[in-house]
Amino acid sequence: DGGITQSPKYLFRKEGQNVTLSCEQNLNHDAMYWYRQDPGQGLRLIYYSQIVNDFQKGDIAEGYSVSREKKESFPLTVTSAQKNPTAFYLCASSLPGGNENQPQHFGDGTRLSIL
Amino acid sequence: QQQVKQSPQSLIVQKGGISIINCAYENTAFDYFPWYQQFPGKGPALLIAIRPDVSEKKEGRFTISFNKSAKQFSLHIMDSQPGDSATYFCAASPRYNFNKFYFGSGTKLNVKP
Repeated sequence: DGGITQSPKYLFRKEGQNVTLSCEQNLNHDAMYWYRQDPGQGLRLIYYSQIVNDFQKGDIAEGYSVSREKKESFPLTVTSAQKNPTAFYLCASSLPGGNENQPQHFGDGTRLSIL
Repeated sequence: QQQVKQSPQSLIVQKGGISIINCAYENTAFDYFPWYQQFPGKGPALLIAIRPDVSEKKEGRFTISFNKSAKQFSLHIMDSQPGDSATYFCAASPRYNFNKFYFGSGTKLNVKP
């Protein structure tokens, strides 16, 4: 079955520690995204990538970093510079827009908490 | 500044009733308007989407109504069922960046049996 796999489902971080969230897709989608979801605030875009080896900052990129070395993988690192990292993180992918918008397909998220 | 404003924040509807969720936007470059449904602990799943060249789109019990002049769109769930209880998000994407989406803040729907 094609889909997006996020791991781990739950993650705990100590103060001052970097952690990396995994996102893998087998949908053959070119575009991938990371969102942060907080209660009552909807989804906010952290980073997105339209093609391998290229990515752009979203609206809340500070304290986060990404890489896109393979089409199917888009890991997100939450660095110690992110002062309020506790949130639900969602990865998504889509076909390239071309001349038409394409819907995004989401993984089931990683819940990150601070110890 | 939130580009897509969604209301209400929460909604309680009796089984068999109509659930209505509203969204508004300002950016006239928005060209694609999807709705997502999210169950607890899961990622959002695409429910239905509309483009501004039509005023209404229906898929089963779910209907999007679109008012281009008012820059508003809404989701109607007919004959609401307890299994529809979830959080619903509207979103919008601009024609100058088809890969970028702006999401509303979400509506938590509770359908009572």
